[in-house]
Amino acid sequence: EVQLLESGGGLVQPGGSLRLSCAASGFAFSSYAMTWVRQAPGKGLEWVSSITGSGDKTYHADSVEGRFTISRENSKNTLYLQMNSLRAEDTAVYYCAKGHSFCTSTSCYFDFWGQGTLVTVSS
Amino acid sequence: DIQMTQSPSSLSASVGDRVTITCRASQSISRYLNWYQQKPGEAPKLLIYAASTLQTGVPSRFSGSGSGTDFTLTISSLQSEDFAAYYCQQSFRDILTFGGGTTVEIK
Repeated sequence: EVQLLESGGGLVQPGGSLRLSCAASGFAFSSYAMTWVRQAPGKGLEWVSSITGSGDKTYHADSVEGRFTISRENSKNTLYLQMNSLRAEDTAVYYCAKGHSFCTSTSCYFDFWGQGTLVTVSS
Repeated sequence: DIQMTQSPSSLSASVGDRVTITCRASQSISRYLNWYQQKPGEAPKLLIYAASTLQTGVPSRFSGSGSGTDFTLTISSLQSEDFAAYYCQQSFRDILTFGGGTTVEIK
């Protein structure tokens, strides 16, 4: 059974940093692209970042480029999102999601999602 | 970046109704269009990928169509468990984008 478990969310002051983790199980983690998607309270879904299975290519939304970094540690079946210079508008539930097996790159759709972790940026 | 525009943003419907949601891309994306359903307090669920392929386990009352810039998600006979938000997402580029969402409410 595929499972994705996010952690690392919480309350942080503007300008602060957080690192989110997503522990994966039930599939060959290194074979799949992974992504982070966020959802601000009462708002829609926003793609944040994606990474290839090997980790050799990453992509970020303009809204987080230069502040957030996606990475993965395949030996630990774990996906990360390092978030620096946080702003109030980064407040959201952050989901990690697994790329579908039919995808050959990060331009993908996502068949399994975690339950999300809430990040609140406020003073 | 490719912009995705969904319409309507919300709709009210009754059980048994046929419901259609539209998604338009700012440029041609071939058939690289996917649909998700999200219920309150839950993670999104993949319904349809590549414009019209039903994800495993998704009921056949859901269908998708379109190519290029215009796409449609249809629920042929709305069930109580279908009241939710629906999002389109393009996977034509590595910079992914979602539509703004459509909330299907009970009339």
